[in-house]
Amino acid sequence: DGGITQSPKYLFRKEGQNVTLSCEQNLNHDAMYWYRQDPGQGLRLIYYSQIVNDFQKGDIAEGYSVSREKKESFPLTVTSAQKNPTAFYLCASSIDREGGYTFGSGTRLTVV
Amino acid sequence: QKEVEQDPGPLSVPEGAIVSLNCTYSNSAFQYFMWYRQYSRKGPELLMYTYSSGNKEDGRFTAQVDKSSKYISLFIRDSQPSDSATYLCAMSPNRGSTLGRLYFGRGTQLTVWP
Repeated sequence: DGGITQSPKYLFRKEGQNVTLSCEQNLNHDAMYWYRQDPGQGLRLIYYSQIVNDFQKGDIAEGYSVSREKKESFPLTVTSAQKNPTAFYLCASSIDREGGYTFGSGTRLTVV
Repeated sequence: QKEVEQDPGPLSVPEGAIVSLNCTYSNSAFQYFMWYRQYSRKGPELLMYTYSSGNKEDGRFTAQVDKSSKYISLFIRDSQPSDSATYLCAMSPNRGSTLGRLYFGRGTQLTVWP
């Protein structure tokens, strides 16, 4: 079955460490997105990519980095510069207007 | 002012009730309107998709868009406990073939009790 796989489901990080969240899709979608979800704040866009080897900053890109070397993969690195990284991170992809976004099941990151 | 406003609730209704969920927006360029349902600790899933103004019905769900008022609604008829979830509205101004980035509301938490 086609879909988006995010891993790991839960991630614990010590302060000062970088961590990378994985996002893989086998839907043949060109566009991929990373959102952060905090209680009561909805989804906020971190980065998005419309095509391989190209990506744009979203509304809250500071402290995050991404790469898009393959169509199927869009990993997100949470760096030590991100001051409040504890959140639920969602990856999504899309191919056309009517299909909307297909979301992964999310990664819950906790800084300890 | 956020581009998309949505009352976070929580909203609690008895089984069988009609539920009305709403969002308002400020960007008149928005053309595509969606509703997503998100169960606890899961990713959102697309529930309804509407282009421009008008109504769209799918089973117990009806989506309405009033672009003149910049107001969208989702109605759930004969609500069931399995409808208990957070409902997110989303919209896009993109006129091209692709969706581009979506602008989301904060989500409304709904509980349907038996």
